[in-house]
Amino acid sequence: DTGVSQDPRHKITKRGQNVTFRCDPISEHNRLYWYRQTLGQGPEFLTYFQNEAQLEKSRLLSDRFSAERPKGSFSTLEIQRTEQGDSAMYLCASSLSGTGVTEAFFGQGTRLTVV
Amino acid sequence: GQQVMQIPQYQHVQEGEDFTTYCNSSTTLSNIQWYKQRPGGHPVFLIQLVKSGEVKKQKRLTFQFGEAKKNSSLHITATQTTDVGTYFCAGYTGTASKLTFGTGTRLQVTL
Repeated sequence: DTGVSQDPRHKITKRGQNVTFRCDPISEHNRLYWYRQTLGQGPEFLTYFQNEAQLEKSRLLSDRFSAERPKGSFSTLEIQRTEQGDSAMYLCASSLSGTGVTEAFFGQGTRLTVV
Repeated sequence: GQQVMQIPQYQHVQEGEDFTTYCNSSTTLSNIQWYKQRPGGHPVFLIQLVKSGEVKKQKRLTFQFGEAKKNSSLHITATQTTDVGTYFCAGYTGTASKLTFGTGTRLQVTL
């Protein structure tokens, strides 16, 4: 499979616990994005990487959220001390920067439920 | 910060009717992309528009990018049940690589 993959697909956690999600982008893609989506809403930008550099992080994002892309390949998104409001679908997307079409390819997402 | 709004939020049509969704950005966009998300699925890329006033067609779908590069529209002619889903516009501003999504328009098509 050469698409974007995310793991796990579903995660149920108790409030206060830490969770970590993984995203494997399309191998030659240098850009990687994390989005959060709740029911009936559009994907909300969280952060993005160009290679291993984290170039922007949403100002709306709590300090409990952190993301890494250590070697410019896969990425992890960690949420510390989860709250019920963190329940959402977390989407990862990758793209190739350039002057042509820069479509973002999305993974299937990780659905987080905080109980 | 940049905001991208879409109207309507929801539209229900009968198969064969036309459908249009409108996208408006608070800032000028370097390009606009459109995505479709089926129920339970993830966003899938449809098209990218770059030039001011550009119009592109894909079969029954017509996409337009406004002259000021702050708005866009997607028009579907003679909708089919396979068109059901949520349509999002998404845009980049300036040289930024941050892709901001619109609020989406959910389309329901019934026979």
